[in-house]
Amino acid sequence: SAVISQKPSRDICQRGTSLTIQCQVDSQVTMMFWYRQQPGQSLTLIATANQGSEATYESGFVIDKFPISRPNLTFSTLTVSNMSPEDSSIYLCSVEDLSLGAFFGQGTRLTVV
Amino acid sequence: GIQVEQSPPDLILQEGANSTLRCNFSDSVNNLQWFHQNPWGQLINLFYIPSGTKQNGRLSATTVATERYSLLYISSSQTTDSGVYFCAVERAKIIFGKGTRLHILP
Repeated sequence: SAVISQKPSRDICQRGTSLTIQCQVDSQVTMMFWYRQQPGQSLTLIATANQGSEATYESGFVIDKFPISRPNLTFSTLTVSNMSPEDSSIYLCSVEDLSLGAFFGQGTRLTVV
Repeated sequence: GIQVEQSPPDLILQEGANSTLRCNFSDSVNNLQWFHQNPWGQLINLFYIPSGTKQNGRLSATTVATERYSLLYISSSQTTDSGVYFCAVERAKIIFGKGTRLHILP
């Protein structure tokens, strides 16, 4: 199974600022996925990041708010822009194995004050 | 889209008890997984089980795809089993249920 390293693990940020979350995978993968988990809630897919093309965003998520980079097959970043307290969540990156399913990084716990 | 319903939403058990968690889904799916999210927020893969039965130690899972449900069994519960258990199904994308919050009392 893939090993996914995500950083930072947690951060407290001022409203109006931006935070970039990094996700590194120990093997090459075609697609990487970014999820948000609001407090006490389930996980919701933000976008799918393919290397060499723009990310595909789910309904309710836009590129201006959550720009994503995918410079190579093992790395991706998610930026949470112009943050407000409503952005306080756990953000997780994920990859999928065809026979083992989805694997997740340890998550970034973001608090916006 | 596909609806994923998990039950019960909350469960409090004494250490050593057994439990069964259920996941119902509204349409045919390609894959189904069970995850455990520990109190620190980390998601741990438990089972990748689009159909059939699998066992791993005190945990086992059964998916009956034709009837659109899956069950997760936890036997001889330990306090470290506490956390939220998520069922997630995949068709075009992965959709998570709302989870079952399990609290094991010492």
